[in-house]
Amino acid sequence: AQTVTQSQPEMSVQEAETVTLSCTYDTSESDYYLFWYKQPPSRQMILVIRQEAYKQQNATENRFSVNFQKAAKSFSLKISDSQLGDAAMYFCAYSDIRDDKIIFGKGTRLHILP
Amino acid sequence: EAGVAQSPRYKIIEKRQSVAFWCNPISGHATLYWYQQILGQGPKLLIQFQNNGVVDDSQLPKDRFSAERLKGVDSTLKIQPAKLEDSAVYLCASSAMTAPSPGNTIYFGEGSWLTVV
Repeated sequence: AQTVTQSQPEMSVQEAETVTLSCTYDTSESDYYLFWYKQPPSRQMILVIRQEAYKQQNATENRFSVNFQKAAKSFSLKISDSQLGDAAMYFCAYSDIRDDKIIFGKGTRLHILP
Repeated sequence: EAGVAQSPRYKIIEKRQSVAFWCNPISGHATLYWYQQILGQGPKLLIQFQNNGVVDDSQLPKDRFSAERLKGVDSTLKIQPAKLEDSAVYLCASSAMTAPSPGNTIYFGEGSWLTVV
């Protein structure tokens, strides 16, 4: 069974600095999708970035980028120029190519220090 | 475009009582999901519908949980009788594709917070 592990329950970063959130996963599949979701206190899950496993190029979305290491089964999220609005829970998630079911990690709470 | 709507947002009940949550997905979205998110954990899929048929309910505790999606639009999740460990946020989500397709963007509602005392 696929699993997603986030080893950092909480992290803090100074405003305008860069922070990296870690994620590892386990799967026997060769094709799959990986996601980072943001969950603010309102609890609405918001898709931040998506990576397709067959693409070697790391995905980027404005200040958000990933470091996808397929062999190591690692998928970290880098947030550049951190802003107060980035404070939230961040969930790493996995979905294989057969269906839309998403498996989430336990999350990392990110604090932005002014 | 209106988002995924859920109600009620908050509910407090005593154990052994029943509760129902309602979800209205984004218009035209064929796939609807119910997730359970216990405090300190990531969301866990309870049930997935495609139109009004069940695609996956393998993690739904069927002795106490039930869900339906009549007419392939909105959905109701019911818990009866509730237990203390059912305290969680129940997230509804929807996606547009008519068939499972990897990487479909899934849109989440704000969730229904349940506290069982």
